[in-house]
Formats: sequence, C-alpha cells, structure tokens
Amino acid sequence: AQSVTQPDIHITVSEGASLELRCNYSYGATPYLFWYVQSPGQGLQLLLKYFSGDTLVQGIKGFEAEFKRSQSSFNLRKPSVHWSDAAEYFCAVGRPSSARQLTFGSGTQLTVLP
Amino acid sequence: EPEVTQTPSHQVTQMGQEVILRCVPISNHLYFYWYRQILGQKVEFLVSFYNNEISEKSEIFDDQFSVERPDGSNFTLKIRSTKLEDSAMYFCASSPGEGLAGHTDTQYFGPGTRLTVL
Repeated sequence: AQSVTQPDIHITVSEGASLELRCNYSYGATPYLFWYVQSPGQGLQLLLKYFSGDTLVQGIKGFEAEFKRSQSSFNLRKPSVHWSDAAEYFCAVGRPSSARQLTFGSGTQLTVLP
Repeated sequence: EPEVTQTPSHQVTQMGQEVILRCVPISNHLYFYWYRQILGQKVEFLVSFYNNEISEKSEIFDDQFSVERPDGSNFTLKIRSTKLEDSAMYFCASSPGEGLAGHTDTQYFGPGTRLTVL
C-alpha cells in the first residue's frame, strides 16, 4: 500500500527566509503528487500537483516542488516566506492505476517569525 | 473562482444520533469524495462517488455511513448512529473527472464540517 511521510512535524522560519518542507512517498510506481495547505479554520487548498513531465512544478503563492524519483521525494520550497504562509502543509499521493483516493501525510505545521 | 461549500461548519450531536453533513461540489465536477481528519491525525479517505454510486470506499466507511446525491447540486454524508470516535473534521471534495478513466485528477476541498459527538 502507498504511504506518505512528512518527517518534520513543526518547522519555524523567519519571515523572508527560504523554506523547504519534506515529503517522501512509498509506492511501486510513480504516483500523482500533491501539496495542500490548511490555514486555521480553513479547508485544504491545493498549492500544486505533479502528474508527469517536468519534475519541477510551480504552484500558487510562490511555491514550487521538485519530484525526485531516485529519492521518492516531492519536497515543497519557497525562496522567501511571508507571515501569511503560516499554516499546516500536507503532502498527498494518488495512485495512477487505481481509483481516486488520496493518501495524506501527517502534515507539517509552519510557524513564521516576524 | 468556484469552490466546494459545506454546511454546517460545526455540528454537535449526542452519541447514537443520526447526522447528515452537506456539501455542494463544484458544479461541473463528476467525482465527489468524503475525507475525515480526527484531531491531531492524518486526513483519511472515506469514500468516492461517481455516476450516482460509490466507486471506492475505505475500511472506515462501514454500514453506519452512507452517501447520497439527493439532487443535482448536493452531496451528503449520513452517519446513522454516531459514536464518540466519529468526532472529527469531515471534508468534502470534488474533482472534474478529467483524464484517463480510473486515474486520479485534482480534488478540490471544502472548508470542512467539525463534528463533535458528546
């Protein structure tokens, strides 16, 4: 069965600093990969997705992620964090050859210091 | 931009009572989903729904749960006899159904309904 690991439960960065959130997946083939963000009291907003093609994908709010097959990773990055980026970030995996259920990681809580 | 909406935002119920959580998916989407997130835990898939029937369900989605699309816009999750462990945030999602049949496409989530079972 597929699984998703987000090794960092909580990350704190200063505003303006760069950010990288880690995501590793376990799956026999190349899955579909997603990053969602959840602000307090809000639902899950899609940041970006990878289905195929260019392994560096751009998303909303200045985020990008890179798919690395050799490392089974799909890390999320942002060059300069804004205070409004404080939220919980979820990596998710979908199985290309099966139905449509997403498997989520446990999330990384991002705190941004002024 | 179209979005998935859910009502109510918070539902409090007594153990053993029936609850219905409501969702309005994005209007031209073909697939609908329910997920739940118990406090402090991962978001978990419950069920997917297509063409007026369940297309996939998880082990969590037992006989206490049912889904329905009662009209052209609403999508509901019913829990027949709530248990304390059903307390969670329930997310509805929808997806266009683009691409190859059976393949994942992008799911758009609603804001969630927080269910508290007392």
